[in-house]
Amino acid sequence: TQLLEQSPQFLSIQEGENLTVYCNSSSVFSSLQWYRQEPGEGPVLLVTVVTGGEVKKLKRLTFQFGDARKDSSLHITAAQPGDTGLYLCAGIYGQNFVFGPGTRLSVLP
Amino acid sequence: DAGITQSPRHKVTETGTPVTLRCHQTENHRYMYWYRQDPGHGLRLIHYSYGVKDTDKGEVSDGYSVSRSKTEDFLLTLESATSSQTSVYFCAIRIAGVEETQYFGPGTRLLVL
Repeated sequence: TQLLEQSPQFLSIQEGENLTVYCNSSSVFSSLQWYRQEPGEGPVLLVTVVTGGEVKKLKRLTFQFGDARKDSSLHITAAQPGDTGLYLCAGIYGQNFVFGPGTRLSVLP
Repeated sequence: DAGITQSPRHKVTETGTPVTLRCHQTENHRYMYWYRQDPGHGLRLIHYSYGVKDTDKGEVSDGYSVSRSKTEDFLLTLESATSSQTSVYFCAIRIAGVEETQYFGPGTRLLVL
């Protein structure tokens, strides 16, 4: 069974602070995704990382895929209240997607 | 949102009754997925489909069946609902490629009493 762990489970920060959340596994994935989910809605895909060591930037968000393709991180610079939500990572192997339990982020104004 | 709708959006039912949830897409995507989301577990794959009449089991398929008789509809059936199946159910479509993409529907909140 492929498992993904995410840390921290909860994070509450002030507007303007930087933060990093982590996604770890003992399994190797062909690629990995990050999603953000708001209450009452489905997850929305933020990024897919494919190559070990890959770094992708999306405005204030920086995503990194570990060299061994077992872990990933999401760094947010100068967090804003609009970044509040549940951040989920998902590992892809074959036709299957395995999701981590999520990091719930709250950015206070 | 890739034109994904789910129905019903909310349902309350009793233990032992059959329940069918519907996922409908308007863009002719090949792959469709059913997940359930529970606190502390994230999203867990129930079943997926890779074409009309082609389906396979996911991580938590026990107690669930699916059918896909046409491209646009993917049905999830709880043959005899149990309280452990109280959850939020999400349908998704997948666009396969070098950079995989998945779009989720708005979810169905199911309460089994």
